[in-house]
Amino acid sequence: RKEVEQDPGPFNVPEGATVAFNCTYSNSASQSFFWYRQDCRKEPKLLMSVYSSGNEDGRFTAQLNRASQYISLLIRDSKLSDSATYLCVVPGGSGSARQLTFGSGTQLTVLP
Amino acid sequence: DAGVIQSPRHEVTEMGQEVTLRCKPISGHNSLFWYRQTMMRGLELLIYFNNNVPIDDSGMPEDRFSAKMPNASFSTLKIQPSEPRDSAVYFCASSLGRDQHFGDGTRLSIL
Repeated sequence: RKEVEQDPGPFNVPEGATVAFNCTYSNSASQSFFWYRQDCRKEPKLLMSVYSSGNEDGRFTAQLNRASQYISLLIRDSKLSDSATYLCVVPGGSGSARQLTFGSGTQLTVLP
Repeated sequence: DAGVIQSPRHEVTEMGQEVTLRCKPISGHNSLFWYRQTMMRGLELLIYFNNNVPIDDSGMPEDRFSAKMPNASFSTLKIQPSEPRDSAVYFCASSLGRDQHFGDGTRLSIL
């Protein structure tokens, strides 16, 4: 099993739609998680941190299910500017808490 | 505030040549990471430094790749000799906690 697995998409949704991305991870010891966003030909940027069962930031909600080792990202009222690749990120790497393991990303395109 | 600064932004060179990528981390950050990103393999960690000391270089593909961090404000990733399969975007990131801040990347093409 890969350390971090994501549905690669692509997800093509109309403006205003609600879309959800899923991510599973293999390291049951991981305590905190991240979602990064990467625009085309740009660097990844931190979108949200997930430390407990989940958290919300405006139109974005991240949820964590430790029992199932599953993380999700929900985007409500999607905007054209939300078009990007969303990377699920799990700390721990090969044992170091400072390292991050990145999923392969889920591509989202919001259509007018 | 200045973010992570990488140079060059783009590099095109012929196979067999030496390539040196440079990174200046955010001032005060004590961890530095080199990543490689390709369509096929996604974002892969190559090497990670903490307080200028290499901690994990298990992601370095082979002996042709080497990385140094001579001080807290500078790191290099060197490929010698370069091969076409090394073509990718190379990102440098730095952190103080777990949040990593990425540079703009170096887009490397080996012909």
